[in-house]
Amino acid sequence: EAGVAQSPRYKIIEKRQSVAFWCNPISGHATLYWYQQILGQGPKLLIQFQNNGVVDDSQLPKDRFSAERLKGVDSTLKIQPAKLEDSAVYLCATGRDRRYNEQFFGPGTRLTVL
Amino acid sequence: KQEVTQIPAALSVPEGENLVLNCSFTDSAIYNLQWFRQDPGKGLTSLLLIQSSQREQTSGRLNASLDKSSGRSTLYIAASQPGDSATYLCAVGRGLPLFSGGSNYKLTFGKGTLLTVNP
Repeated sequence: EAGVAQSPRYKIIEKRQSVAFWCNPISGHATLYWYQQILGQGPKLLIQFQNNGVVDDSQLPKDRFSAERLKGVDSTLKIQPAKLEDSAVYLCATGRDRRYNEQFFGPGTRLTVL
Repeated sequence: KQEVTQIPAALSVPEGENLVLNCSFTDSAIYNLQWFRQDPGKGLTSLLLIQSSQREQTSGRLNASLDKSSGRSTLYIAASQPGDSATYLCAVGRGLPLFSGGSNYKLTFGKGTLLTVNP
């Protein structure tokens, strides 16, 4: 089966600019996660969707970050305005929400904020 | 709050050695534990997943064990190869997934162990 697709792979922006990331999940995966991975750290969950509904967004900085999952398939994560500390890799993961609850990750988008 | 620690932070070994990566977690009330591999500039690849009721899982040259009561997991790599060079991440799943009637399942990651296998 095809894996999780993400775009763009790399993005460089100035602080205070806006940026958006896109994720296309594995077909049939109802659960979708966005993670932020700062250099040298493990990924940190930002938001979790089940189909097109938000399950957990407790760690999403809602003053600048937003995310949506239209029709329960593709998802976008937006940052507006970006800060220097937002420089990180943004990972999308999806899962079947079945027995083992295993998560499958995309290649990520590396964001550099100057 | 669950905290996950991985030791060592970096490891360099000659090709052919057997090695052990360690992961410890502070809250033993876990749902499962997953080991991932991350290559530079790439996403995470799932290696092994251990449910809380299991003691170990094996895949090829990899073996992961889980001791929930002591809050520890190990990833054993046999006969290491240069292609095994990567960062290995341990992630602990807590809470109940949606299909189990819950809504608070969450993965907490360690910082990873950077493994270099020298030819």
